[in-house]
Formats: sequence, C-alpha cells, structure tokens
Amino acid sequence: GNSVTQTEGPVTLSEEAFLTINCTYTATGYPSLFWYVQYPGEGLQLLLKATKADDKGSNKGFEATYRKETTSFHLEKGSVQVSDSAVYFCALLKTGANNLFFGTGTRLTVIP
Amino acid sequence: GAGVSQSPRYKVAKRGQDVALRCDPISGHVSLFWYQQALGQGPEFLTYFQNEAQLDKSGLPSDRFFAERPEGSVSTLKIQRTQQEDSAVYLCASSPQQGAYEQYFGPGTRLTVT
Repeated sequence: GNSVTQTEGPVTLSEEAFLTINCTYTATGYPSLFWYVQYPGEGLQLLLKATKADDKGSNKGFEATYRKETTSFHLEKGSVQVSDSAVYFCALLKTGANNLFFGTGTRLTVIP
Repeated sequence: GAGVSQSPRYKVAKRGQDVALRCDPISGHVSLFWYQQALGQGPEFLTYFQNEAQLDKSGLPSDRFFAERPEGSVSTLKIQRTQQEDSAVYLCASSPQQGAYEQYFGPGTRLTVT
C-alpha cells in the first residue's frame, strides 16, 4: 500500500540555518509528490510539487527533488526565516487516484 | 478571490449528537474532497465528489458518516451519533479539474466530542 514517512518533529532552528525535512514514500507506479505547509490558524497550502523522477519543485526558497532510486522527496531551504515556522506535510498522489496520501507532518519552529 | 470556506470553524458536540459540517468550495471548482485530520497526524481522505456525483467514499470510517453535494457546489459532511473518536479537524478541499492534482484547502472545522 501507500505510505509516506517524514522527519519526526518538532524541529527547531535558528534564523538563517539550513533546513532539511526528509520524506520517503512507498507506492506502486510513478506517483506525483507534494509538499504542503500549514501556517498557524490557516489551511493547508501547496508549497511545491514534482510529477516525475528527477523533477525539482521549488517555491519561496524551498526545493525538493523527486528521487525515484531512493523513493525520496526531501525538502530543503538554505536560510530559514521566523516566518517559515509552520507544519510541513509531504504527500503523494498515485496516478488515477482520487486522493492525496499525507505523511504525519513536521512542525518547524524558527527562532530569531 | 475567495478561497474555500468552512463552517463552523469549531464545533463541540456531546457524544451521541448529530453534527453537520459545511464546505463552500471555490466557485466553479469541479472536484471536492473531505479529509479527517486527527491531532498530530496528517489528513486522511474521506470522500470525493466530481460535481454532484460522489465518486469515491472509500475513506468514510463508518456508516455514521455521510456526505452530499446536491447541486455540485456546497457540500455537507454529516456525522450521526458522534463518538469521541470522531474528534478531529475536518478539512475540505476543492479543485478546478477532475481528480486530486490541484487542491485548495479550507481552514477546517475542529470537532470536539465530549
């Protein structure tokens, strides 16, 4: 079946630190992969996505590369800001499926 | 433009009560999804509508859960005889296309069953 495993939180970083949140998945075929972010009091927002192997999704300084050989889609940012504090969810969508399949989320807190 | 809205934002129900949660999708969006998010977990799929047709209800946890979208716009998720394990945030998402690829999420309804 499908599964998504991501870095267990909480993660606390100082401002301007480098961020990595790991995400690995199990799925048959070639799913699309997503990172969603949930800021305090707000709904889930799509951060970035990739639809095939070696694609790189990027947005707001965040990047993630779809690695089929390691079934991974790790999220990175070179220099985090306090405003990046949020919960980050990795998710997959199997081709032809009707729903996203989410990981458990990683809470990031960035301190000044 | 207006995003997905949900009401109420918070609902407290006594065990055994029925509740109805509303979702107003983005105007013109074809697809609508409901998810359940337990505390500290990721959202889990409940059901999917394409216009007024409920094409997938495989995630509904029991026959106490019922969803409808009678005119292909607003949707209601109804939970009958609520139980404590139903306490969660219920998320609605809509998409301009068929299928789940481009979803826009609402803020959720936090249901607490006491």
